[in-house]
Amino acid sequence: GAVVSQHPSWVICKSGTSVKIECRSLDFQATTMFWYRQFPKQSLMLMATSNEGSKATYEQGVEKDKFLINHASLTLSTLTVTSAHPEDSSFYICSVYLRDLNQPQHFGDGTRLSIL
Amino acid sequence: DQQVKQNSPSLSVQEGRISILNCDYTNSMFDYFLWYKKYPAEGPTFLISISSIKDKNEDGRFTVFLNKSAKHLSLHIVPSQPGDSAVYFCAASEGAQKLVFGQGTRLTINP
Repeated sequence: GAVVSQHPSWVICKSGTSVKIECRSLDFQATTMFWYRQFPKQSLMLMATSNEGSKATYEQGVEKDKFLINHASLTLSTLTVTSAHPEDSSFYICSVYLRDLNQPQHFGDGTRLSIL
Repeated sequence: DQQVKQNSPSLSVQEGRISILNCDYTNSMFDYFLWYKKYPAEGPTFLISISSIKDKNEDGRFTVFLNKSAKHLSLHIVPSQPGDSAVYFCAASEGAQKLVFGQGTRLTINP
């Protein structure tokens, strides 16, 4: 069964809107979650590492004030795209790393974000 | 700086034959390699992995080969089935955490 639930799967909104994407680890506690972004016909690029109870670690070139990450519980991380613009339109995917189970990262089904 | 490269954007194979997908990397610190399969509008699904202490790992129809000296890995699927048609991503990491993905190869299995 699914290990990760990501919601919503598709968002269309106007420029300037803030959008929140949720990533839930089902059945397992996850101290570490990752957020990726994929532009059309390109690779998945790591945006940030979400750590439960502490600040997220952002990759170089990713604006932390633009992409707010909150990992307030062991099963939920949220990514908020603030004041979204058309260039933020992309496919956002989260993953869960179950360190204690020594398993590879499990990915959610992604969120297609379209900013008009 | 693309640390993980999949130089073939697409591959077409006849059903029942072997599919070979290739991946090259540049960072010698990578010690864990994975292959993921992805359908449109879905997240990647884990297929198979290999650590740098091995040169081969097999799971059913899927085998991954690692050539550390050449910094090259490959995924073999045999026999190929229509349901294998998808985009395949290789990924690499230091210590199984932050993954660096290749650009993906679209595999099409023809009946």
